[in-house]
Amino acid sequence: GAVVSQHPSWVICKSGTSVKIECRSLDFQATTMFWYRQFPKQSLMLMATSNEGSKATYEQGVEKDKFLINHASLTLSTLTVTSAHPEDSSFYICSASRPFSGANVLTFGAGSRLTVL
Amino acid sequence: GENVEQHPSTLSVQEGDSAVIKCTYSDSASNYFPWYKQELGKGPQLIIDIRSNVGEKKDQRIAVTLNKTAKHFSLHITETQPEDSAVYFCAERPGGGYQKVTFGTGTKLQVIP
Repeated sequence: GAVVSQHPSWVICKSGTSVKIECRSLDFQATTMFWYRQFPKQSLMLMATSNEGSKATYEQGVEKDKFLINHASLTLSTLTVTSAHPEDSSFYICSASRPFSGANVLTFGAGSRLTVL
Repeated sequence: GENVEQHPSTLSVQEGDSAVIKCTYSDSASNYFPWYKQELGKGPQLIIDIRSNVGEKKDQRIAVTLNKTAKHFSLHITETQPEDSAVYFCAERPGGGYQKVTFGTGTKLQVIP
């Protein structure tokens, strides 16, 4: 089946540093990937839509200069949290869209837990 | 914008009993309704989905029903097992090839052995 790999699964960093999270579709090509953020005991909130070869589309309220997204190939999208602060600590999850039975189905990565000290 | 309400927020059932989770959506253009299971510290996993041209779909112990007129859909888990314990999210997606999904608020299901 379709697999989406996310790396790292967890990361701890100091305040002010930048952290990059990778999202790879292992056995299919994904022209569109999505980045979500999830706080404890809450639902997934879409941050941005990542389109291969073009700029990402950010949801309202998400700072594009803080959360840099690069979708340079059909199998890789990266999210860079720049100048991270403790309030950026969260669970970040990516998903990739693939066609299945005439529709587009989302496959999620395992998530990356970011802790900013 | 899209809005998906999910109930209940927590649900405890005895092993072997059934569990039902309900969601209501507001966008009449929605045509795809997936359900995801999320275990602690992991990403969501698709467990079943239904499209707007179907009223019910079943996969072993899991079933989903859709009422387009009332704009609600439900997840039914029969013969629950302890490994069914997780957080379940409903979601919906508008039609027209748009791929963004909106998630419900989640239901924490606990199956008591």
